[in-house]
Amino acid sequence: DIQMTQSPSSLSASVGDRVTITCRASQSIYTYLNWYQQRPGKAPKVLIYATSTLQSGVPSRFAGSGSGADFTLTISSLEPEDFATYYCQQSYTTPLTFGGGTKVEIK
Amino acid sequence: QVQLQESGPGVVKPSGTLSLTCTVSGGSISSNNWWSWVRQPPGEGLEWIGEIYHSGSTNYNPSLKSRVTISVDKSKNQFSVKLNSVTAADTAVYYCARNLRITMSGVLRNWFDPWGQGTLVSVSS
Repeated sequence: DIQMTQSPSSLSASVGDRVTITCRASQSIYTYLNWYQQRPGKAPKVLIYATSTLQSGVPSRFAGSGSGADFTLTISSLEPEDFATYYCQQSYTTPLTFGGGTKVEIK
Repeated sequence: QVQLQESGPGVVKPSGTLSLTCTVSGGSISSNNWWSWVRQPPGEGLEWIGEIYHSGSTNYNPSLKSRVTISVDKSKNQFSVKLNSVTAADTAVYYCARNLRITMSGVLRNWFDPWGQGTLVSVSS
């Protein structure tokens, strides 16, 4: 199985801050990497697929980058609705696997 | 747009079988996509259980493969999961999701979209 490791597991930030979340795969997954946002009590929703393609309707303050085994999700300027947990997921091969999540909390 | 809705018992006894159904609306389960189950124990991360294609082909997470069966009912636009010999460790919110497949620049990509709202299944006597 491909292991996905996210860091940090949690972070505190203020509205307007720039936030970076990293995701590392245990082997190369090329650019088969997706990002999801999960608000409390809700299902995850896709933010970014294929490493850097924004899902329709997702604000442009979200951006994804990377290739191989190292990936990044950046929120350029945090908004109140961005406080949530973020998961990366590799779609290179089954079993499909997720990172452990990064909880973004209000400072 | 496509919507998914999980249904099934909220409580299952230890050593019993967990059974859930996902109803797909706004689109056909016979489209060129796979259909997945994902679970999330309380306060924990996401675990992919497995997926099915409308032909009946399946892929399972090896960690659950010996206990899980996913099936499809095209006439009802539904797919289902059964997990047997459950323990407290199987307590989780269970989500169904479409594994959307799109070719981008000649490369097949896939991601989960949309998801059902999720249903909490507790294993308890």
